[in-house]
Amino acid sequence: AQSVTQLDSQVPVFEEAPVELRCNYSSSVSVYLFWYVQYPNQGLQLLLKYLSGSTLVKGINGFEAEFNKSQTSFHLRKPSVHISDTAEYFCAVITNTGGFKTIFGAGTRLFVKA
Amino acid sequence: NAGVMQNPRHLVRRRGQEARLRCSPMKGHSHVYWYRQLPEEGLKFMVYLQKENIIDESGMPKERFSAEFPKEGPSILRIQQVVRGDSAAYFCASSRQGEEYFGPGTRLTVL
Repeated sequence: AQSVTQLDSQVPVFEEAPVELRCNYSSSVSVYLFWYVQYPNQGLQLLLKYLSGSTLVKGINGFEAEFNKSQTSFHLRKPSVHISDTAEYFCAVITNTGGFKTIFGAGTRLFVKA
Repeated sequence: NAGVMQNPRHLVRRRGQEARLRCSPMKGHSHVYWYRQLPEEGLKFMVYLQKENIIDESGMPKERFSAEFPKEGPSILRIQQVVRGDSAAYFCASSRQGEEYFGPGTRLTVL
């Protein structure tokens, strides 16, 4: 069965510092990988996705992620965070077994301090 | 091209009442997924539907919950005899095949 593990439930960081949010997945088949952001009381917004091709994926708001097949990881990074990046971030995986349903990690709360 | 629409955005029910949540997929999408997000938790898959068919309901509670996606009209998630533990955000997503597009969610509060 597929699963997604987000290793940090909360990540506090100072403004303009770099940040990495970690994500590992388990799957025996090919996967599609996603990062979503959720602001308080709002829905999910897609940050970036990996479907195939280059393992370094760039997304919106200055975020990027790198797919590492050997380590089954898809960590999210941003070189310099802003207060407005404070939100919940979800890593997710889709496989083509069972109808492409999305499996989400538990989420990482990024808290950017001034 | 409108995105995935969900209504109502907020729904308040008393224990024992019924809740009906609606989801209109993106134009051209025939796959609908429902997810539940409990407070302080991630999203959990509930059910996957195509037009007039339930494909995977492995995440649906065995009782009180049902879902449909009729030939015409939105997908409906129905919760009968709601309890406080049903309070959550319910998200719908649609796809053609592969990437899912999420709606803004319906926040259900059970008093």
